[in-house]
Amino acid sequence: ILNVEQSPQSLHVQEGDSTNFTCSFPSSNFYALHWYRWETAKSPEALFVMTLNGDEKKKGRISATLNTKEGYSYLYIKGSQPEDSATYLCAFFVDQFYFGTGTSLTVIP
Amino acid sequence: DSGVTQTPKHLITATGQRVTLRCSPRSGDLSVYWYQQSLDQGLQFLIQYYNGEERAKGNILERFSAQQFPDLHSELNLSSLELGDSALYFCASSVEGQGYEQYFGPGTRLTVT
Repeated sequence: ILNVEQSPQSLHVQEGDSTNFTCSFPSSNFYALHWYRWETAKSPEALFVMTLNGDEKKKGRISATLNTKEGYSYLYIKGSQPEDSATYLCAFFVDQFYFGTGTSLTVIP
Repeated sequence: DSGVTQTPKHLITATGQRVTLRCSPRSGDLSVYWYQQSLDQGLQFLIQYYNGEERAKGNILERFSAQQFPDLHSELNLSSLELGDSALYFCASSVEGQGYEQYFGPGTRLTVT
């Protein structure tokens, strides 16, 4: 079993603040890293799939970077809005999917 | 709406029984994935099928089995059910394999009494 760690576990920010989270994974035998946004009582929603070292992806105010050599990915949210409140989950694939425990973000209006 | 459908939405059954959960992927998607979310645990990967063939396997119990049919829908069979099998079971699909975005269905809530 491989360890995928996410930090922080939870985060409260003010509306308009920018924030970032970390997903750490084993750096050997990398294949893909997925980021998901998961709102309470809903299903996970794919944000990004990252496969190449140095990948940077962006979707609106949310972006992500990947460093496979050191085994981490960052997710950034610029100008947080209340609707960004959710759990952000990363999943690392090598032989199967290994999920982190998520970062719970609360954006205070 | 992701385009992935799962039936039933809710299922209540007794210990020792067997149930089948069904998943229809988005049109055109070849891969189907099954996940389990228990109360005290995060999301756990169970198994992936690609175009009818098993492609990746997680910590799926021997009492559980799955298959993907020629029309690409998938079924997850859970047998000899235990109280601890109570969970939300998600199905997801992607156009190809593990390097592609996955679209999750609404889940099936299984309660074992």
